Amino acid sequence: DQQVKQNSPSLSVQEGRISILNCDYTNSMFDYFLWYKKYPAEGPTFLISISSIKDKNEDGRFTVFLNKSAKHLSLHIVPSQPGDSAVYFCAATTGNQFYFGTGTSLTVIP
Amino acid sequence: EAGVAQSPRYKIIEKRQSVAFWCNPISGHATLYWYQQILGQGPKLLIQFQNNGVVDDSQLPKDRFSAERLKGVDSTLKIQPAKLEDSAVYLCASSLGWGNTEAFFGQGTRLTVV
Repeated sequence: DQQVKQNSPSLSVQEGRISILNCDYTNSMFDYFLWYKKYPAEGPTFLISISSIKDKNEDGRFTVFLNKSAKHLSLHIVPSQPGDSAVYFCAATTGNQFYFGTGTSLTVIP
Repeated sequence: EAGVAQSPRYKIIEKRQSVAFWCNPISGHATLYWYQQILGQGPKLLIQFQNNGVVDDSQLPKDRFSAERLKGVDSTLKIQPAKLEDSAVYLCASSLGWGNTEAFFGQGTRLTVV
């Protein structure tokens, strides 16, 4: 049972434009959501998170939006840079157990 | 701050052989996770430790997989006997403890079963 879903396996964006990565979830008990970034041959690294009591969290070029009624969150990267090219995983947690999406491969074209 | 250390980085074994992976979490982190990431999929939680106790091992194939964290620090994950479908990257992660939402991942061990 896939509780966290990323329906777009890949995304290509021009450098300087906005990248929007989407994530849907099914479990209304999730209380924290996170985005991880993964380069080839490395483990995922934490990028940004949001509590379920908020609808937006911003950190530099990265903003995460949470729509609880739609059980949907998104990661916005503005402006996109070639170094942002990586696989992005959405994760959700209840208590201390994590559920990951399958990832979206972002390619930022110079 | 030192990160999560895993070894080996790569391992190739034949099916039906056994293999063990090692993880050293960040100092002071009480919670340790083992994930399996099959190519093209997101990481799947295999087992979660809180100190040296198992919190969740519901997705661990217990007929062939085992894990331990005897002193509440380092952990080992073993597969015996290995199957072709066990080929994956095995990730170890740690976090401070219950209620802490940020986990730090090691670089993983890439296992190829031939």
